Amino acid sequence: DAGITQSPRYKITETGRQVTLMCHQTWSHSYMFWYRQDLGHGLRLIYYSAAADITDKGEVPDGYVVSRSKTENFPLTLESATRSQTSVYFCASRPLAGGQRETQYFGPGTRLLVL
Amino acid sequence: QQQVKQSPQSLIVQKGGISIINCAYENTAFDYFPWYQQFPGKGPALLIAIRPDVSEKKEGRFTISFNKSAKQFSLHIMDSQPGDSATYFCAATDSWGKLQFGAGTQVVVTP
Repeated sequence: DAGITQSPRYKITETGRQVTLMCHQTWSHSYMFWYRQDLGHGLRLIYYSAAADITDKGEVPDGYVVSRSKTENFPLTLESATRSQTSVYFCASRPLAGGQRETQYFGPGTRLLVL
Repeated sequence: QQQVKQSPQSLIVQKGGISIINCAYENTAFDYFPWYQQFPGKGPALLIAIRPDVSEKKEGRFTISFNKSAKQFSLHIMDSQPGDSATYFCAATDSWGKLQFGAGTQVVVTP
C-alpha cells in the first residue's frame, strides 16, 4: 500500500548505543522531515531534506545525523543515544509543488526508549 | 521558545458541545496555518488549513477563525462527537514549508 512507513515502530536501546530509525515513502515527494514529539512541546523539527543529497538542520538537530541517498528513504541516526532522546519520532513528507505542497503527510511514528 | 503558542493544554466537552482551541504566533512571515489531528498511536493528519488573507474557513463541523492583526487563530469544533477525541495541533508554515507546531490540545468528548 502506498504511503509513508517507519521502522521499527518500537525500539528500546541503551545509553551510548547507535540507533537508526528508518523512513520510506512511496509518493516520490521531494521534501522529507524528521520530528520528535514530547509532551508539552508538540512536534519539533530535527532535520529536513529538500531532495536527495540535500539536508538541513531543524530546531533540535544535536545528537542526530541524517542522510538521503534516495528520494524515497530518509534514515535518522542517533550516533550515541542519550536518555533525553527518549521520544516518539515522526517522519513526514510533502511534494515540491502543486495544490497540496504545504501539506505534510506523517508516518505512524517510532517510539524510542533509551535506558 | 515556541513560535506558536496554543491553549488550552486539554479540554473536556460534552457530546454536542463546542470545542474551542486558540493559537497565537509572532512571526509575520508565516503564510499558511494548518491544524493537525492526532489519534493515540498514530501520526498527525491534516484536518483543516487557512491562509492569512481569509478570516474564516469552514469544513463540516470544523471552523478556523483567523485574526491577522492580532496574530491569532482558533479552531472551533461544533457538535463535538466522541470520535473527535484526539490531540489537536495548530501550526504555521514559513516560505520554506517548514512547520512550527503548537504544544497541542488534548480534547476529550464525553458521551
